[in-house]
Amino acid sequence: DAGVIQSPRHEVTEMGQEVTLRCKPISGHNSLFWYRQTMMRGLELLIYFNNNVPIDDSGMPEDRFSAKMPNASFSTLKIQPSEPRDSAVYFCASGTGQGGSPLHFGNGTRLTVT
Amino acid sequence: RKEVEQDPGPFNVPEGATVAFNCTYSNSASQSFFWYRQDCRKEPKLLMSVYSSGNEDGRFTAQLNRASQYISLLIRDSKLSDSATYLCVVQGGSEKLVFGKGTKLTVNP
Repeated sequence: DAGVIQSPRHEVTEMGQEVTLRCKPISGHNSLFWYRQTMMRGLELLIYFNNNVPIDDSGMPEDRFSAKMPNASFSTLKIQPSEPRDSAVYFCASGTGQGGSPLHFGNGTRLTVT
Repeated sequence: RKEVEQDPGPFNVPEGATVAFNCTYSNSASQSFFWYRQDCRKEPKLLMSVYSSGNEDGRFTAQLNRASQYISLLIRDSKLSDSATYLCVVQGGSEKLVFGKGTKLTVNP
């Protein structure tokens, strides 16, 4: 099993540019999560999907952030326009959709907005 | 009050020492509990689940006190390879996992 796959691993962009982060969950997992990690705030849940449907997007910071899951094997997190305060590591994680089951994380995308 | 609170540390201990981490959570309806480990510049990985009766996995022991809303992790005979950040994680009725900010451990030779 290849695990959760994220791309790109690193992204450096200028303020105002659009950024798209990609995630392929583990095959057979029904739930997908996007987290953001910073030193100050730790790991914060941005949004999660179950069976490709967004369930809770209360953690999405503002309208500049959007996420989609067009099918069971792919999700994107888009920031438009990006700002320096968006700099963080963005993790995608997937799970089986059952309460009590742990999540499996991808390697993360390290985003730097200058 | 934050949903999950941990002492950020850092904890610096010699090899072979026993070290304990504590965590408190605010949502009394929380149902599942975990400890994750995160190495520097890596993704979080599941270390162990935490069960109501307490559970042990080798040198690691996890305890849960629902009345006090308190979770602990004990590491015995610590190794250099145990150096990492340990994240306390709580799950409510949904699948949503809420992470503490982590406790950093450094085991010194």
